[in-house]
Amino acid sequence: AQSVTQLGSHVSVSEGALVLLRCNYSSSVPPYLFWYVQYPNQGLQLLLKYTTGATLVKGINGFEAEFKKSETSFHLTKPSAHMSDAAEYFCAVSGGNTPLVFGKGTRLSVIA
Amino acid sequence: DAGITQSPRYKITETGRQVTLMCHQTWSHSYMFWYRQDLGHGLRLIYYSAAADITDKGEVPDGYVVSRSKTENFPLTLESATRSQTSVYFCASSESIPGGGTDTQYFGPGTRLTVL
Repeated sequence: AQSVTQLGSHVSVSEGALVLLRCNYSSSVPPYLFWYVQYPNQGLQLLLKYTTGATLVKGINGFEAEFKKSETSFHLTKPSAHMSDAAEYFCAVSGGNTPLVFGKGTRLSVIA
Repeated sequence: DAGITQSPRYKITETGRQVTLMCHQTWSHSYMFWYRQDLGHGLRLIYYSAAADITDKGEVPDGYVVSRSKTENFPLTLESATRSQTSVYFCASSESIPGGGTDTQYFGPGTRLTVL
C-alpha cells in the first residue's frame, strides 16, 4: 500500500522568495510520484511527475521536484514565488497500475 | 466542448434523498475516477473505472454507487444521502493508470454538494 504525508497544511512565503513544499511517501514498490495544483474553485491540474529515469523533474510554471529514494521524499520547489502561485498543492503516489493516493494538501500563500 | 464536465456544479439536497452527480469526458479516456475533497482529508478516491462496465472501489465507497455503460460517462449516485456526504466531488479521467505513459489525470471543475 502507498501513502503520502505533506508537511505543513499552510505555507506562506514572500513574493520572490523560495517556495519549498514537502512531501514524504511510503511505498512497498517503486513509486510513481506526482504533484498537482488546485487554484481556487477549480479542479486539479498536473504540475509534474516522476515515473522512472532522471530524479530531478521539471514541471510547469517553473516548479521542479527531486525524487530522493533514501529519504522517501519528493519535495516541490520554485526559486522565486509569484502571486499567481497562490493555490493548494497536492502530492500523490502510486505503486504503478494502482490509483493515485493523494496527500492532504498544502495551501500556499504568497505575500506581496 | 472538449474536456471533462460535471453537473450540477452546486446541489443542495435533504437527508435520505437520492442524488446523482454526472461526469462526462470527450477524450475517450479509458480510466475515470470519482474523488471527494474535504477539509483536513485532501482528496479521497470513491470509485474508479478502467473501461465501460468495469468499476472498482476506492478508499471510501460506502454509500455510493457508480455505473459506466458508456466510455464517456461516469455517474455517481448517492442512494440515500447523509450529512457526512456533504463535500466537493471531483471527477477525473486519464488514458492509463499511473505508471503508464499517458497517466495524467484531468479533473473536472467539481460539484459542491450540501446535504441538509
